[in-house]
Amino acid sequence: KQEVTQIPAALSVPEGENLVLNCSFTDSAIYNLQWFRQDPGKGLTSLLLIQSSQREQTSGRLNASLDKSSGRSTLYIAASQPGDSATYLCAQFSGGYNKLIFGAGTRLAVHP
Amino acid sequence: GAVVSQHPSRVICKSGTSVKIECRSLDFQATTMFWYRQFPKKSLMLMATSNEGSKATYEQGVEKDKFLINHASLTLSTLTVTSAHPEDSSFYICSALNGSSQETQYFGPGTRLLVL
Repeated sequence: KQEVTQIPAALSVPEGENLVLNCSFTDSAIYNLQWFRQDPGKGLTSLLLIQSSQREQTSGRLNASLDKSSGRSTLYIAASQPGDSATYLCAQFSGGYNKLIFGAGTRLAVHP
Repeated sequence: GAVVSQHPSRVICKSGTSVKIECRSLDFQATTMFWYRQFPKKSLMLMATSNEGSKATYEQGVEKDKFLINHASLTLSTLTVTSAHPEDSSFYICSALNGSSQETQYFGPGTRLLVL
């Protein structure tokens, strides 16, 4: 059974800190991996999509890496801001039908 | 960017009634849509894959007679929760695959269902 695990479950930091959110997956035959942001009571916003042939993707202050051999992905957030407060979800593609297997998320709170 | 809408955004109903939730892709055609369920502070759980013009594929443990899915057009999929009970209260989110970019799912804003 494919599983995606995210650590930590919750994180509270002061503004300006650099953060690392972790995601691990059990399926070594990973296709793609995607990071999302979810604000309370809202849908998902795609942040970064890493294809299986790639090692990392960058968008602004966000950088996501993928290490298939160790079954891990990390999301790096530079110079965190209060507006970054949200739940961050990673999801592994389950090939074939483009099904996404989600982790439980990391709830991030950045305080001024 | 691709936009997916859901309607209603929030619904409260009495136990025993049926509730229909719509998922629309507003600016692209979606041959495949997905329905997820999310409990508070939990991850999204895939319920079913909806393909236009064919029967939906349900995940293990999801009752197909309880959660009816219809994907009648390339821009609309509906989820009907039949004979709803309080344990069906949850946040339901749909996503749609852009036919021109099969790798990317675009998510709707979600529907909060509360069954009294």
